[in-house]
Amino acid sequence: EAGVAQSPRYKIIEKRQSVAFWCNPISGHATLYWYQQILGQGPKLLIQFQNNGVVDDSQLPKDRFSAERLKGVDSTLKIQPAKLEDSAVYLCASSYGQGGTYGYTFGSGTRLTVV
Amino acid sequence: DAKTTQPNSMESNEEEPVHLPCNHSTISGTDYIHWYRQLPSQGPEYVIHGLTSNVNNRMASLAIAEDRKSSTLILHRATLRDAAVYYCILRSHNAGNMLTFGGGTRLMVKP
Repeated sequence: EAGVAQSPRYKIIEKRQSVAFWCNPISGHATLYWYQQILGQGPKLLIQFQNNGVVDDSQLPKDRFSAERLKGVDSTLKIQPAKLEDSAVYLCASSYGQGGTYGYTFGSGTRLTVV
Repeated sequence: DAKTTQPNSMESNEEEPVHLPCNHSTISGTDYIHWYRQLPSQGPEYVIHGLTSNVNNRMASLAIAEDRKSSTLILHRATLRDAAVYYCILRSHNAGNMLTFGGGTRLMVKP
């Protein structure tokens, strides 16, 4: 099966600019996640969707980050305006279901550098 | 979420077995034990998961202690391609509970 697709692969922007990341999950996977991974750390969950509804966005800095999942398939994550500390890899993952019996499939991520 | 404790790093020789330990003394009865690994410049990759019984798949084996307070990921024959960060994560059976990553164990494989 095709994996989780993410684009772009790399992005360099200046602080205070805006940026958007795109994710296409595995077909049939109802649950979609966005993670932020700062260099040297484990991934940190930003937001979880079930179909096109938000399940958990408690870790999302809502003053500058937004995410949507239209029609319960593709998702976009936006940062506006970006700060230097937003430099990280942004990972998208999808899962067939929400419970502990289901594994996640991750994309390769988008590496964001804010200068 | 219940926490896991892993060594920061481990070394192994190529073609030898590797045992990666994980302690999870506060595990609850509904928590599944998941293992993921992350190769350089890639997203995490699912390895294996289990609840109570030992599990085997084509990638690895998972040995779970009888009291479930610890587990061990076993790579039967390490290759250079197995060099990665390995994460042990508890995930509740209850819907809505997501993967929470810790620091993981960095496995180095020597030729």
